[in-house]
Amino acid sequence: KQEVTQIPAALSVPEGENLVLNCSFTDSAIYNLQWFRQDPGKGLTSLLLIQSSQREQTSGRLNASLDKSSGRSTLYIAASQPGDSATYLCAVRVDRGSTLGRLYFGRGTQLTVWP
Amino acid sequence: DAGVTQSPTHLIKTRGQHVTLRCSPISGHKSVSWYQQVLGQGPQFIFQYYEKEERGRGNFPDRFSARQFPNYSSELNVNALLLGDSALYLCASSLKGMNTEAFFGQGTRLTVV
Repeated sequence: KQEVTQIPAALSVPEGENLVLNCSFTDSAIYNLQWFRQDPGKGLTSLLLIQSSQREQTSGRLNASLDKSSGRSTLYIAASQPGDSATYLCAVRVDRGSTLGRLYFGRGTQLTVWP
Repeated sequence: DAGVTQSPTHLIKTRGQHVTLRCSPISGHKSVSWYQQVLGQGPQFIFQYYEKEERGRGNFPDRFSARQFPNYSSELNVNALLLGDSALYLCASSLKGMNTEAFFGQGTRLTVV
């Protein structure tokens, strides 16, 4: 069974810092990995999608890397801003039999960026 | 373009009642999935539908059921509600089944009292 772990569970930093959020998964047979942002009580906003054949993806101040063989991904946030405060979730889409198409999520990293 | 829309946004039900949650995917998307997120946890997979057929089911009791309509919208039904069913229910749509980006709606907050 796929297990997804995110470290740290919570992070509080001053504005302007560069951040690294970590995600690890136990089964390397994945189609892709997706990073999401979730504001309190709201739905998920897709940030980046990395296919299993890719090593990284970039969008603005966000950069996500994927090391499929070691079961790790990192989300790098440059020059953090108070508006980045949210919970960041990592999810993998598996590539096996009956579980095709489902996403396995971590518990998220709760980020607070203070002015 | 409209994103994934879910209705209602909030709902309060009594134990033992039945509830129906609705989801409209992004136009052109044929895959709809449902997830349950309890407070402090990551979303848990309930169902996936692609081209109106069930393509996956998570570890949820038979009280949970779903369907997808010809216009690709979907309903999630939960019978005999329990207090533990209180959660944020999220719908995701994607263009195809497996290797494309998933887009989520704002969710339905269900409270069972």
